[in-house]
Parts: sequence; structure tokens; C-alpha cells
Amino acid sequence: DVKVTQSSRYLVKRTGEKVFLECVQDMDHENMFWYRQDPGLGLRLIYFSYDVKMKEKGDIPEGYSVSREKKERFSLILESASTNQTSMYLCASSPRGSGKNIQYFGAGTRLSVL
Amino acid sequence: QKEVEQDPGPLSVPEGAIVSLNCTYSNSAFQYFMWYRQYSRKGPELLMYTYSSGNKEDGRFTAQVDKSSKYISLFIRDSQPSDSATYLCAMSASTNAGKSTFGDGTTLTVKP
Repeated sequence: DVKVTQSSRYLVKRTGEKVFLECVQDMDHENMFWYRQDPGLGLRLIYFSYDVKMKEKGDIPEGYSVSREKKERFSLILESASTNQTSMYLCASSPRGSGKNIQYFGAGTRLSVL
Repeated sequence: QKEVEQDPGPLSVPEGAIVSLNCTYSNSAFQYFMWYRQYSRKGPELLMYTYSSGNKEDGRFTAQVDKSSKYISLFIRDSQPSDSATYLCAMSASTNAGKSTFGDGTTLTVKP
């Protein structure tokens, strides 16, 4: 059973804080993703990583950075949290090369920035 | 205009009803079509996957793809309260380097 684990279910942070969201997958997947999900806006891709130390900007990378030092772990960093980054953050992983691009999601981190 | 448009809902139906969830798309390169189900406060999970055109059935669920019309549907027969969730369509091309394009989701409530 594929497991994608996000380190926190709920986080409350203050404006200007540096925030780390951690994601770990146990299926040796090459691809990992960070999305944010907001009512009426659907899933929006923040960053994508297709290998260790490799990353690609998604649709809304501004205000975010990522780190992938190990294959199983993909971190999302909010350099200076702002209230408009209050959202549900979802991590996902998928195997490379199948073409299907089926993604396996974590349970999500609900972040509130006050 | 978005590459993938999903009927927005929300949908509310009585238990036992047949439900139809629909998405249209504009990118003719899409070959893989997925439906994810997302329960409240959880991450999406894959429900069904279809390659190219045609139908696929899994129990009470049928996924249908019409590439000529760029239209996909998910049918739920004999809907149950446990089917209450948000349903997301997703699509990808083999050239997408691992990425999928998601619809915004349709929230379904099945009332007992």
C-alpha cells in the first residue's frame, strides 16, 4: 500500500515566519508534487520534483521554495508566511515512466497564517 | 480558458440515484483519464483510471471517455451516503513528464 505522509495535519503560524512542510513517501517514486487547494480554485501545482535535487516550478511558485535532498522526502518552504498562504497543502508522489501519471496523495496539511 | 473544465456542482441526490459527473478538456494530447475521490479533510485517492476512449466499469462506478468530443464522465449507480465526497477529474499526456491536469472538483452529497 502506497503511503504518503505529511508531517502535520494542522499548523498555525504568524505572518513573517519561515514555515516548513514535510512530506515522505515509501514507494520509491521518482516524482513528487506540492499543491495547494482552495475552495473554488481547485488543486494548483506549486512545485514538482522529478528526481533528487531536481525541481520544476508549477503554476504558483511565488513565495514558496522546495528541497529534495533524498528520494523519499520533499519539503515545501514558505520563506516568509503571509495570510494569503492560508490554505490546504497536499503532497503527492508518482512513479516515473508509466505514462499514466497516477498520483498518490497525503492527507494534507491545513495551514493557517495569522 | 482552463485546459480542464469540470461541472462545478454541488450535487445533492437521494440515496439510490444515478449520478453523472462530467469534465471537458481542450488538449487533444491527453491520453490518460483519472477520477479521484476526496473525502472531507482527506487527500484525494484514485478511484478509476482509463486509457484513451471507451468505458471502464468497477462495481457501481463507470468511467466513460469520448475523445472525439473531449468529454469524460463518471457514473455512479445506486448511490450511497458513503459516496458523499468531492470528485476530481484528472488528465495527462505521456509527454507530461509526470504531471496531471486536474478539474476543480464536484462535491456530491447523497442523502439517506
